Amino acid sequence: DTEVTQTPKHLVMGMTNKKSLKCEQHMGHRAMYWYKQKAKKPPELMFVYSYEKLSINESVPSRFSPECPNSSLLNLHLHALQPEDSALYLCASSQDPGARGNGYTFGSGTRLTVV
Amino acid sequence: GESVGLHLPTLSVQEGDNSIINCAYSNSASDYFIWYKQESGKGPQFIIDIRSNMDKRQGQRVTVLLNKTVKHLSLQIAATQPGDSAVYFCAENSGYSTLTFGKGTMLLVSP
Repeated sequence: DTEVTQTPKHLVMGMTNKKSLKCEQHMGHRAMYWYKQKAKKPPELMFVYSYEKLSINESVPSRFSPECPNSSLLNLHLHALQPEDSALYLCASSQDPGARGNGYTFGSGTRLTVV
Repeated sequence: GESVGLHLPTLSVQEGDNSIINCAYSNSASDYFIWYKQESGKGPQFIIDIRSNMDKRQGQRVTVLLNKTVKHLSLQIAATQPGDSAVYFCAENSGYSTLTFGKGTMLLVSP
């Protein structure tokens, strides 16, 4: 299995809702990443998990809460989001946190719309 | 060119033409560069990479050129096909830093 699987593919949520995005990989990768991508913009790093521990938080608002239950799973818990949080949320993994770009595998993303 | 607001730089070519997509980077310490292709509804897909001790690297139908003097990277696609239509991003990482993406360019290939 050489894929990163993200669910759901699409999500519409209200500003008072709580929802979670899920990401799974079975490549034995020990670094996992959340990126946010607005329309027509490059992906921007949000969080990095290294060996199941949060190693980088790029000053992301607390309404986004990451979780890494085990080495194969990465979640992003969402609460009290704003319409400007609508974006494509991409998960990626790499063998280790020092991997070069050719070692990253990206999922297809969750298209989130906040209404 | 630079993207401003909601507008991606767009390159429109005819099928069979050669395409050249450009990227400027700012970090002189970057020692590794990558080109990604992102199709609609998908995540970025690795195309080709180059280390800073090289100025050219060739793959299948793609060539990456690196000019460290002016901090410029380009991606050349030979005999462009409709399936090459996508947004192309350059990216860089150095040492143990995380991946940082540059501004994208949309490539439109018409039959």
